[in-house]
Formats: sequence, structure tokens, C-alpha cells
Amino acid sequence: EPEVTQTPSHQVTQMGQEVILRCVPISNHLYFYWYRQILGQKVEFLVSFYNNEISEKSEIFDDQFSVERPDGSNFTLKIRSTKLEDSAMYFCASRVGSGNTGELFFGEGSRLTVL
Amino acid sequence: GENVEQHPSTLSVQEGDSAVIKCTYSDSASNYFPWYKQELGKRPQLIIDIRSNVGEKKDQRIAVTLNKTAKHFSLHITETQPEDSAVYFCAASTTGKLIFGQGTTLQVKP
Repeated sequence: EPEVTQTPSHQVTQMGQEVILRCVPISNHLYFYWYRQILGQKVEFLVSFYNNEISEKSEIFDDQFSVERPDGSNFTLKIRSTKLEDSAMYFCASRVGSGNTGELFFGEGSRLTVL
Repeated sequence: GENVEQHPSTLSVQEGDSAVIKCTYSDSASNYFPWYKQELGKRPQLIIDIRSNVGEKKDQRIAVTLNKTAKHFSLHITETQPEDSAVYFCAASTTGKLIFGQGTTLQVKP
């Protein structure tokens, strides 16, 4: 069964460093998302991406965050200058589209620890 | 902004009993309501979903009900088993993004 894959599974970084989290969505999916989950808390929406542009973003997704689809398969989340509060599990997700319903498939997550 | 409230935050039941988790949403335009199960350290996995044109949906021991007028929806698990123990999240969607509830930690005691 196809699945969303994410790398790295765990990254430890120093505060102020740049981090890139990578995702490979399911191949025929058209809508891509990043969510984060601080330990013990709910899953929070960061950004949605469709047709090579951001379609929606949350208040969390400030100027320190960016997303990119550099080629036909990868979808990346970059945090330019990490803060302690960026420590969380980051989930990539994708869905096939169209319309605004339909199952969202999550990757296994990338745990980011900022020291 | 959009908000989803979920109750209870923790729920402990005996094996074989039923469990009910309730959610309310704020955006009346929401039209898709999935439920996810998340085991410790794992990704959220869809267990059941319902669209706004349906009032109830069942899949074996799991059912979801939706009351659009009251803007609330519920997850019902019957004949609970220890392997049902996990965190359950409800979510609501208007534009395709999911807004999640705070989660319910379900413990099923053998």
C-alpha cells in the first residue's frame, strides 16, 4: 500500500540553526500539508500546498517557515532559524483531491528537538 | 477562527464496555469530519469519517454520528478491547485542512 514517507525520523539541532524536513507524498496525490504536534498536545495545522503554491497557512507558519516542492516527488518544510518552541513532531500529509473532503494520509513524522 | 472542542480528555472503560467521545465545531461551513487513532509515537490513522450530508455511519464496532444543527459529532466504540487503547482525535474540515480536537486518551482495562 502506498504511503507518505518522511525523513529524517529524528533531528536534533541547536537553536538558531536551519532545518529542512523532507516528505515524499503518495504519488497521485495533489494536496500536501504540514502539521505539527508538540508532545502530549493536539495536531496543529501549519500549511497546505496545491498546484505548486501555498493555499492556506496558519498563524504558526510565520516568516521562519517555508515550503517547497523542488521536484515532482519531494515536499519540504524549512525552518530558517529554529527556536526552542519549534521542538515537536512534524507530520507531512497528502490527499488525492478534489474538493475539500477525502482521507488525509499522514507520514510517520519527523521529530525535531531544538537545544 | 475555526475551533474543535473534544471531550473527555481521558476515558477509562472496562473491556467489553462502550466508549463515547464527543466533539463540537465552530465553523458551520465544515463538511467533513474524520476520526483518527494515534498510538504512542505513531502517526494518526483514520478510523472512520463522515460527511455533512450523512447523519450516521457505522463500521463494525465503530460508529460516528453528526448533528449539523448543534454542530457536534461523536465517536462510539462498542465492545471495547485492550487494543483500542490509544489517543483519539476528532477533526473538522472546511477548506481541506483539518482542524483537530485536543484528543482523548482511551484506556481499556482487561
